[in-house]
Amino acid sequence: GAVVSQHPSWVICKSGTSVKIECRSLDFQATTMFWYRQFPKQSLMLMATSNEGSKATYEQGVEKDKFLINHASLTLSTLTVTSAHPEDSSFYICSARPQDYNEQFFGPGTRLTVL
Amino acid sequence: GENVEQHPSTLSVQEGDSAVIKCTYSDSASNYFPWYKQELGKRPQLIIDIRSNVGEKKDQRIAVTLNKTAKHFSLHITETQPEDSAVYFCAASIGYGGSQGNLIFGKGTKLSVKP
Repeated sequence: GAVVSQHPSWVICKSGTSVKIECRSLDFQATTMFWYRQFPKQSLMLMATSNEGSKATYEQGVEKDKFLINHASLTLSTLTVTSAHPEDSSFYICSARPQDYNEQFFGPGTRLTVL
Repeated sequence: GENVEQHPSTLSVQEGDSAVIKCTYSDSASNYFPWYKQELGKRPQLIIDIRSNVGEKKDQRIAVTLNKTAKHFSLHITETQPEDSAVYFCAASIGYGGSQGNLIFGKGTKLSVKP
């Protein structure tokens, strides 16, 4: 149990386009989902926390208009990178947490390359 | 806010030896401390966790110890094997659910086990 999927696993796009990444909890309901960014050989940096049905809470320094997060259901959260630029190229990982749990279950990640 | 320091950043051991990774945290209210293993290009996998009401937890070759007074916790891997080679992250969080419970990660330790 506790499987989280992420789609797509990798994407290459042109500068200026928008990219949507989906995160799904397959066998549990996730009241909270998290989006992380990971640069090569570095740790996971929390970008934002999303709770189902409410606006996401962004970490300091993360532009909410650039990284749009939607958590429309208890099993799906989406991250849209708008007007992507090469510096947005990174590994984006989501995680999902069941209600009243501390444990987070991670998705497999999405590697975004912006040309 | 919470700050998690992790040491060492790299660790190389011979197969069969033990490996110890240490983390310190700053917020005495933190009460949940998971350890994640991440292989290259893959998702972080929870390997063991400990809550603040417990001083030590063991699962086969892996153990975690927690010293609340000193605000540090450690991961111990005994009888290391080449497949233990990966990056290990410690994390700390506060409370359950709601706006609490966000994981703050250490910077990671790259463990290499030489056959």
